[in-house]
Amino acid sequence: AQTVTQSQPEMSVQEAETVTLSCTYDTSESNYYLFWYKQPPSRQMILVIRQEAYKQQNATENRFSVNFQKAAKSFSLKISDSQLGDTAMYFCAFISYNTDKLIFGTGTRLQVFP
Amino acid sequence: EAQVTQNPRYLITVTGKKLTVTCSQNMNHEYMSWYRQDPGLGLRQIYYSMNVEVTDKGDVPEGYKVSRKEKRNFPLILESPSPNQTSLYFCASSPPDGYEQYFGPGTRLTVT
Repeated sequence: AQTVTQSQPEMSVQEAETVTLSCTYDTSESNYYLFWYKQPPSRQMILVIRQEAYKQQNATENRFSVNFQKAAKSFSLKISDSQLGDTAMYFCAFISYNTDKLIFGTGTRLQVFP
Repeated sequence: EAQVTQNPRYLITVTGKKLTVTCSQNMNHEYMSWYRQDPGLGLRQIYYSMNVEVTDKGDVPEGYKVSRKEKRNFPLILESPSPNQTSLYFCASSPPDGYEQYFGPGTRLTVT
């Protein structure tokens, strides 16, 4: 069975600092996508970044970047220059080419302090 | 504006009273899905649909029904709601080749 694990239920960071959220996954598939979703207090699910497993280069979107280690099945999210608006729940998610199911981790609640 | 809409956004109901949560998308996506979000459990898939008239169970389908008669709509039906179905529900849609899912705003359901 495919699983996604986020081992940090809560994290905090000071404004302008950098924080890294961890995510590991388990799968026997070789072709898949990984995502990080942000859920602010409004509850809207917002896609932050996505990574295709066949791409070795780590995805980057402005202040957000990932460290994708395929062999280790690790997919961490780094937020640089943290802003108060980054305060949210962050979910790591996985979907393989062979299934139609997006599997989520349990989430990490990030608090950014001024 | 490309979006997924859900109605209602908030609903309080009593045990056993049938209800429907509607979901509609205007992006001509073939794939649609329903999730429930519970504290400490993340989002879990209830049902999904690859196209019109094609639906399949996700991880937690018990107590729910869906239908896909039109491409744009994918309602979630609770025939006899129970308190353990109190949750935050999300509808999502996706194009066939993108795998990225676009989420609706969520429906907060409370069953007393």
